[in-house]
Amino acid sequence: AQKITQTQPGMFVQEKEAVTLDCTYDTSDPSYGLFWYKQPSSGEMIFLIYQGSYDQQNATEGRYSLNFQKARKSANLVISASQLGDSAMYFCAMRARAPGNQFYFGTGTSLTVIP
Amino acid sequence: EPEVTQTPSHQVTQMGQEVILRCVPISNHLYFYWYRQILGQKVEFLVSFYNNEISEKSEIFDDQFSVERPDGSNFTLKIRSTKLEDSAMYFCASSIPGQGKETQYFGPGTRLLVL
Repeated sequence: AQKITQTQPGMFVQEKEAVTLDCTYDTSDPSYGLFWYKQPSSGEMIFLIYQGSYDQQNATEGRYSLNFQKARKSANLVISASQLGDSAMYFCAMRARAPGNQFYFGTGTSLTVIP
Repeated sequence: EPEVTQTPSHQVTQMGQEVILRCVPISNHLYFYWYRQILGQKVEFLVSFYNNEISEKSEIFDDQFSVERPDGSNFTLKIRSTKLEDSAMYFCASSIPGQGKETQYFGPGTRLLVL
C-alpha cells in the first residue's frame, strides 16, 4: 500500500526566512515519483517540484528545493526566502509503479508567511 | 504555456440530479484523471483514463460515476444521481508519461455543491 504523511497541519514563517515542510512516504515499489503542489485559497493545484526515486541529486526549482532522503523515506520541501504570496496549503504526493498511475496525496500543510 | 481547463468553475445542483463536469486536458497529453477534494480534506483519486478506457479507479468511483472522452479534446465526469456527500472540489488532471517528470497538471477545479 502507498501512503503519504504530512505531520505539520500548520506552519508559520517570517518573510524572507526559509521554511521546511515535512513529508514522509511509504511504498514497496522501487520506482516512484514524489511531487509537491501548492494550493492557494483560490483552490487551484499548482505543481512545484518533482523528485524521482532514482534521481541521485535533490531537485531544485527556483526557491523550492526537495530534501530527498531515500533511506528515511522522506521528501521535505524547502522554501527559501519566503514571500507573502507563499501563504497557501502545500500537498506532498506520490506516484508509485508505472507512469500514468494515480497520485496519493498527504493531508497538507497550511503555510502562513508573516510580514 | 498550455494548461488544463475546467468548466464550470462552480456548480450548484439538487440532490438526485445529474451533473456533468467538463475538462479540456493539455493537448498532447495521454493520461487523464479525475480527483476530488472534500472541503478541508486531502485530494482523493477517482479515476484515470488512457487510450479511451478506464485504466484505474478507486472505490469512490462507483456506478453513479462515469467518464467519457466524447471528442479529441474534452474529458467529462458524469455523476448520475448526486448525493449531499458529493459536494466537493473536482479536479481534472492530465499527464504525458515518459517525458521526464511525468507530472500531472491540474485544472483549476469545479466546485460542486449538492443541496
